[in-house]
Amino acid sequence: SYVLTQPPSVSEAPGKTARVTCGGTNIGSKSVHWYQQKPGQAPVLVISYDSDRPSGIPERFSGSNSGNTATLTISRVEAGDEADYYCQVWDNRSDHWVFGGGTKLTVL
Amino acid sequence: EVQLLESGGGLVQPGGSLRVSCAASGFILNNYAMTWVRQAPGKGPEWVSGISGSGSRTSYADSVKGRFTISRDNPGNTVYLQMNSLTAEDTAVYYCAKGECTSSSCYVDYWGQGILVTVSS
Repeated sequence: SYVLTQPPSVSEAPGKTARVTCGGTNIGSKSVHWYQQKPGQAPVLVISYDSDRPSGIPERFSGSNSGNTATLTISRVEAGDEADYYCQVWDNRSDHWVFGGGTKLTVL
Repeated sequence: EVQLLESGGGLVQPGGSLRVSCAASGFILNNYAMTWVRQAPGKGPEWVSGISGSGSRTSYADSVKGRFTISRDNPGNTVYLQMNSLTAEDTAVYYCAKGECTSSSCYVDYWGQGILVTVSS
């Protein structure tokens, strides 16, 4: 089955740019979706189809996807961005939804 | 407003069965795929099962295939997950989630609040 690999943690200072990666074999050929989850809450979609931002998500959140790596970029990081971030793809061969292991973003 | 309300969780003994339900409102259920995603304590989300809008197509994670069954009652606006032969590894918060799918991909645009299933003697 398809596997998505994320770094366990990323740290960045307020005002800087944080990047969360999601690795997978030829992931650039798939559409990648990103979710933010804060403690005790359900995940929230922040990016769909590699780079589309749902209504209500700040422009500071952006995404890209090429080759074997997809990236969620958070510009001008704020304390409120501290959360777990998960990437997700749909594997059309197996009809399975696949989540990455998650990355904890710490705002220093 | 889209709402997904899970019910039916609780404590069950190893080897036992449980059915969790998801009452959907605020959208036309039969137009959308639905999915169940679980999250064990301190872990990331794990996709469990999905069902097409009509219910004609279902899929399961390898970890639950043969033990769990997803179904839906579109007129009744409810999605179900029947869980059999439960083990401690099935202990998790189970989320009902609305799928937004095209021919190329699917993602979750709405999540329920989640319901805890604990498998323990």
